[in-house]
Amino acid sequence: EAGVTQSPTHLIKTRGQQATLRCSPISGHTSVYWYQQALGLGLQFLLWYDEGEERNRGNFPPRFSGRQFPNYSSELNVNALELEDSALYLCASSSLIGLSEAFFGQGTRLTVV
Amino acid sequence: QKEVEQDPGPLSVPEGAIVSLNCTYSNSAFQYFMWYRQYSRKGPELLMYTYSSGNKEDGRFTAQVDKSSKYISLFIRDSQPSDSATYLCAMSNTGNQFYFGTGTSLTVIP
Repeated sequence: EAGVTQSPTHLIKTRGQQATLRCSPISGHTSVYWYQQALGLGLQFLLWYDEGEERNRGNFPPRFSGRQFPNYSSELNVNALELEDSALYLCASSSLIGLSEAFFGQGTRLTVV
Repeated sequence: QKEVEQDPGPLSVPEGAIVSLNCTYSNSAFQYFMWYRQYSRKGPELLMYTYSSGNKEDGRFTAQVDKSSKYISLFIRDSQPSDSATYLCAMSNTGNQFYFGTGTSLTVIP
């Protein structure tokens, strides 16, 4: 069974541009979580989607947004990129509410220059 | 106060040693407890998952949860150089919103 897949693996953007990151959850998982992991820091919660709806968001500005598609895959969009947005962006998926741990993808390394 | 506290280390041990990694938490509603291993520049890999209190063993790894003390531990027996990684604890009260520690960096010296 395929795990959580993220694309692209690496992404280089210039300041002010927009970045789009994609995530495909494990088959059967309906929840998708996005985290930011800046160098030397822990995982910072960004967004949680379940059944196509945004359920919760972390303490990030509105230029961080996303969506979940009917097939449960998800996109994270970051507008007006800033240098400090450079980080590893991790997607995780989990199964039925209250019954499952979260599994992570390998991440997208975003570099803003 | 952070929801989850984890000593960032770094922790350095000789090969074969027993490693103890710990996290404390403040929310008594947490019921689901996880340990992840993250190699450099990779996504976290789920190592152990426990529900409520007690111990769980998987090979060289043992996870312990003490809800009365709000304290969880991961023990690694007969540590190997391949165990060198950052270890993240995570917990949840509903199973669908997760709180992570900042990670402990472990190096096992051959």
